[in-house]
Order: sequence, then structure tokens, then C-alpha cells
Amino acid sequence: AQSVTQLGSHVSVSEGALVLLRCNYSSSVPPYLFWYVQYPNQGLQLLLKYTSAATLVKGINGFEAEFKKSETSFHLTKPSAHMSDAAEYFCAVSLSGNTPLVFGKGTRLSVIA
Amino acid sequence: GAVVSQHPSRVICKSGTSVKIECRSLDFQATTMFWYRQFPKKSLMLMATSNEGSKATYEQGVEKDKFLINHASLTLSTLTVTSAHPEDSSFYICSVQDAYEQYFGPGTRLTVT
Repeated sequence: AQSVTQLGSHVSVSEGALVLLRCNYSSSVPPYLFWYVQYPNQGLQLLLKYTSAATLVKGINGFEAEFKKSETSFHLTKPSAHMSDAAEYFCAVSLSGNTPLVFGKGTRLSVIA
Repeated sequence: GAVVSQHPSRVICKSGTSVKIECRSLDFQATTMFWYRQFPKKSLMLMATSNEGSKATYEQGVEKDKFLINHASLTLSTLTVTSAHPEDSSFYICSVQDAYEQYFGPGTRLTVT
């Protein structure tokens, strides 16, 4: 069975500060890993995905994530937070690119001016 | 990527009535669609996998007679909440799958009064 743990249901950073959202996974096979962003009352938008290629994955809006097998982690980072980054972020895992996703509980990112 | 729409975006209905939610793949023929449910401040929970031309596969604990899914064509899947009750109030999101990833609709907010 697969699972995802997102540490911290709420993260608050100052505008311009580093964003770090933590995600740890559990999977019996090499996983596919995803980060999604959700704005209020909207669907999910894919930020980036790991599919067993490069361990450092760059996504949209300046976000990136690094797959660390030894730590079973896939943390999301952005060097400098913008006000527009305030949203809910979900880490997800699947067995392949086209099987159902198992989501973490989400982390709400607040950006303070 | 695929573009997915949902209709309606918001619906309010009385307890005991049925509500139909449509999920359309606008530019991709989807043999598989997924239906998720999201509770307030909670993660997304996979409800069922919708397969074109065959019966949907429901996740454990999801009542198939209450949440009727019909995937009649490669571009349309519908979720009907039958005899809705206030506890069915939630945000329902569908996704379309291609060979590599899922694309999410904007979601439907259901409120049962």
C-alpha cells in the first residue's frame, strides 16, 4: 500500500523567504510522485512530478522538488515566496503515471507581506 | 495536457433529492476518469474509477447505490448523488487520465440543505 505524509498542515512564510513544504512517502515499488496546488474552490493544478528520471524536478512558478530515496522524501521548495503562492499544496503518490493517486492531507501555505 | 470541465460548479439541493454532476474531457478521449471527494480542510479521497462502457470501480466504503457513476462516452462521465443528505455536502472533483498523468476538473461544490 502507498501513503503520503505531509508534515505541517499550515506553513507561514514572509514574502521573499524560502518556501519548504515537506512530503514523505511510503511505497512498495518505485513511486511516481506529484505536487499539486489548489486555490480556494478550484481544482488541482500540477506543479511538478517525479517519474524515475532526474531526482531534482523543476516545476512551474519557480517550484522544485528533490526525490531522496534514502529519506523517502519529496520536499517542495521555492527560493522566494510570492503573495500569489498562498494556496493549499498536496503531495501525491501513485504506482505509475496513470493509476489513482494517493494524496497527503495537504499543507496550507500563507505568505505574509 | 487535457482540459477538463465540470458542471455545475456549485449546486444547492434539498435533502432527499438527487443531483447529477458532469465531468467532461474537452480535448481528449478518456477511457478512464476518476472521481474524488474533498471534505473541508481535508485531503482528496478517491471515490471511484470510471471506465468508459463498463461499470465503475468503487473504493471501499463508497456506496455505489448512492453515488451512481455513468461513463457513457469517451468525453463524459457523470456522478449522481441519490437521495442526498447534508453529510453528502462536499467538494467533488473529477480527473481525466492519459498515459502519463491526471488532469483535474475545477470541482463542484455540493451543499445539501
